[in-house]
This record gives sequence, C-alpha cells and structure tokens, in this order.
Amino acid sequence: GAGVSQSPSNKVTEKGKDVELRCDPISGHTALYWYRQSLGQGLEFLIYFQGNSAPDKSGLPSDRFSAERTGGSVSTLTIQRTQQEDSAVYLCASTYGDRNYEQYFGPGTRLTVT
Amino acid sequence: AQSVTQPDIHITVSEGASLELRCNYSYGATPYLFWYVQSPGQGLQLLLKYFSGDTLVQGIKGFEAEFKRSQSSFNLRKPSVQWSEAAEYFCAVGEDNYGQNFVFGPGTRLSVLP
Repeated sequence: GAGVSQSPSNKVTEKGKDVELRCDPISGHTALYWYRQSLGQGLEFLIYFQGNSAPDKSGLPSDRFSAERTGGSVSTLTIQRTQQEDSAVYLCASTYGDRNYEQYFGPGTRLTVT
Repeated sequence: AQSVTQPDIHITVSEGASLELRCNYSYGATPYLFWYVQSPGQGLQLLLKYFSGDTLVQGIKGFEAEFKRSQSSFNLRKPSVQWSEAAEYFCAVGEDNYGQNFVFGPGTRLSVLP
C-alpha cells in the first residue's frame, strides 16, 4: 500500500507569512506524529495524535504552531507569522496502534523562510 | 524521561570496511530501541528494532544491533559497508506506554569512501 505522503515537498515563504503543511498517513494507522529537523540536527518532536484523543502538543515550540487532524486521517501543521528560525524539514510519521512501535515516515517538507 | 546520545557526529569508512555506530540511552526500564536511516532528501527508514528477547537483532540490508543493558547501549553494526549506504543514522528509544515518549538521538552522519 501507499506510504506516508507529505505536501508540498518544498515551500519557500516570506517572513511573516502563514504556511500549511499536509500529511497523509498510511491508511489504518491511528497515530500520527510531526517532527522538525533543523539543518544538521536530530528530530525534534512537535505534536502527536492518537485516534480521537486530545493531541499531545507538548513539543510545539510556540503558539505560532498548531496542528489538526481531520477524521482521524489527514493532518495539517500550520505555522503562523513564520520566522527564519522556522526553516527546517518537517517530517510526519504514522504508526498503528497506541504504542510507540515502528514509525513510518514521510519524505518531509522542506520549509525555507526568507 | 528517556534520552539518547550518539557520540559520533560524523564517521568516515572505506567501502567494504566494517562499521559500528554507537548509541547510548538513558531510561529506567527496558526500552524499545530503534535504528533508522535517512538517505539524502529522504524520510527515515527503519533498519531494525528491539523490544525484548534475543539481544542481538538482525535488520534489513545486513545491519544488526546488540542491546547491552549493562552498558545502556544499542550499537549498530555491519560487516561490510557499501558506498550507497552513506546517510544519516538515527538511534531512537521509546517507552511501552501511551503517548509520544519516543526520543531520537542527534544522528551520526556516515560517509563512505569508494
């Protein structure tokens, strides 16, 4: 079956603009994660969705960042009033079940804020 | 909370040489341990995982890792590295628990000389 997909693959935006990044998880996967990977850095956890439960937003770096997941499937990460330090690759992953088993990653969205 | 360290930021080996990438974790109970590989411009792909049982784990592409509880380590090994395996390698640790408690190490960049 299809893997995790993300769109767009690349996004260049001006400082101060809002951006939306999309993630389509693997069909049937109940958990969805967003991570941020800055240049030369590891993965920074942002937010976690599990089924219909309230998301774990503990990793969101500021109130400019928000995410939603509609119908337990597609997720959108929104960054408002983008700053240059938001430039990074944003990775989405999904997994089946309510445990941290292997995560299947999408190819990421490379965001550049100019 | 758990944490993961990868002491080597960058390793260079010759094609055909053996490889060992180090990973140390901090966690009070038996962790779930993972190694992922990220090729340039790609998402992360799971190489192998350890949940319980045999402490020597075989993964894809000829990789293996050994869980050593006494050393809190989960080092990744391969007897003969190919040029195409130059990539970023991430170790990760998770808890058997509801939630996002899944932490990635900072990564080790592997360069392979032809």
